[in-house]
Amino acid sequence: DSGVTQTPKHLITATGQRVTLRCSPRSGDLSVYWYQQSLDQGLQFLIQYYNGEERAKGNILERFSAQQFPDLHSELNLSSLELGDSALYFCASSVSGSGETQYFGPGTRLLVL
Amino acid sequence: DQQVKQNSPSLSVQEGRISILNCDYTNSMFDYFLWYKKYPAEGPTFLISISSIKDKNEDGRFTVFLNKSAKHLSLHIVPSQPGDSAVYFCAAMGNSGGSNYKLTFGKGTLLTVNP
Repeated sequence: DSGVTQTPKHLITATGQRVTLRCSPRSGDLSVYWYQQSLDQGLQFLIQYYNGEERAKGNILERFSAQQFPDLHSELNLSSLELGDSALYFCASSVSGSGETQYFGPGTRLLVL
Repeated sequence: DQQVKQNSPSLSVQEGRISILNCDYTNSMFDYFLWYKKYPAEGPTFLISISSIKDKNEDGRFTVFLNKSAKHLSLHIVPSQPGDSAVYFCAAMGNSGGSNYKLTFGKGTLLTVNP
């Protein structure tokens, strides 16, 4: 158990819909990262937050957004969903977000029908 | 452009023998490397890491070797156990501009340890 929690574990929805994925980092970690794992692309970095502020962006679509709240939990919002958004979404956390080990949650499996 | 490559999609070894998983990278700005293990339906679990200032790091049965000139790292598992059967991801991070501390992952190697 990494100490990072993610909800829900599974999500099934339809194209065009909007979903919210939630992540709680390990106790004491200030930085949260979101990654997407799809069959053909592997694990891809989406976005990083540190203490409530966006720190870095990766290959995140404009239809996707995220935020980190004062209690340090984070939410990833996916809107106008397409079939190709079906993937595993992982959250990771680290202490300061400056080049140290990231610990991953169990992931949310999203299926868009 | 795949900056971290794991060229072997799968590897099969006998219990008790050595498992060697390889990883190559192209970005010379990477300065911290990690190995993660992943079981189906779970998140990646951190195994071991190495900084670019070292060439070897050991933790129990796991040893990571880094050859910076060749831009190559490897994970050695000795002795291999059936419970080690999983997908192993190599990951790298470094000062790469706007996304300084993101992890860049390889596609993974499925290790099967046969009893």
